[in-house]
Amino acid sequence: ILNVEQSPQSLHVQEGDSTNFTCSFPSSNFYALHWYRWETAKSPEALFVMTLNGDEKKKGRISATLNTKEGYSYLYIKGSQPEDSATYLCAFRYGGSQGNLIFGKGTKLSVKP
Amino acid sequence: NAGVTQTPKFQVLKTGQSMTLQCAQDMNHNSMYWYRQDPGMGLRLIYYSASEGTTDKGEVPNGYNVSRLNKREFSLRLESAAPSQTSVYFCASSGFSGSSYEQYFGPGTRLTVT
Repeated sequence: ILNVEQSPQSLHVQEGDSTNFTCSFPSSNFYALHWYRWETAKSPEALFVMTLNGDEKKKGRISATLNTKEGYSYLYIKGSQPEDSATYLCAFRYGGSQGNLIFGKGTKLSVKP
Repeated sequence: NAGVTQTPKFQVLKTGQSMTLQCAQDMNHNSMYWYRQDPGMGLRLIYYSASEGTTDKGEVPNGYNVSRLNKREFSLRLESAAPSQTSVYFCASSGFSGSSYEQYFGPGTRLTVT
């Protein structure tokens, strides 16, 4: 059974803090690792797709790294802002470019002003 | 581009009633998906359609049927709704974006079965 684990489940930080969370996934049959940002009452919005071991992606204050050999990815947020409050989902794509996604349960981030 | 649209946004059903959730995408994507999202769970795949004319079961298909009406539309049907099907349902489509395939989600349908 393919399983994607995210930790922590939830995180409360103060505005200005930097934070990071983890996504663990199977290291076999890997094709891609996706990160999504999911605000309450909205639909998940794509942040990053990473395919190569050692990949690093950055969008503004948010960045992500990928280690396919050990099966983990980190998402970093530098200088958190209240508008960063959301659930961050990772998803593991296996079996090829159009293989299905297996989603983690997400990390819920709350940033207090 | 509207992207992925879903109707209805909210629905309340009584146990045993049937209904169809509609999904459409205007991005010319081949693949479409139905997920459900429950508290404390990740998004779980119900059914997917890799291309027009094909459908396949996902992780949690029991109690659901799907129809890929054409390339744009992928509907999800509950024939006899049960309280366990109370959930938020998301439709998604998948297409090539930049350097890889990406899934784009609809706004969701919040379904309550009493």
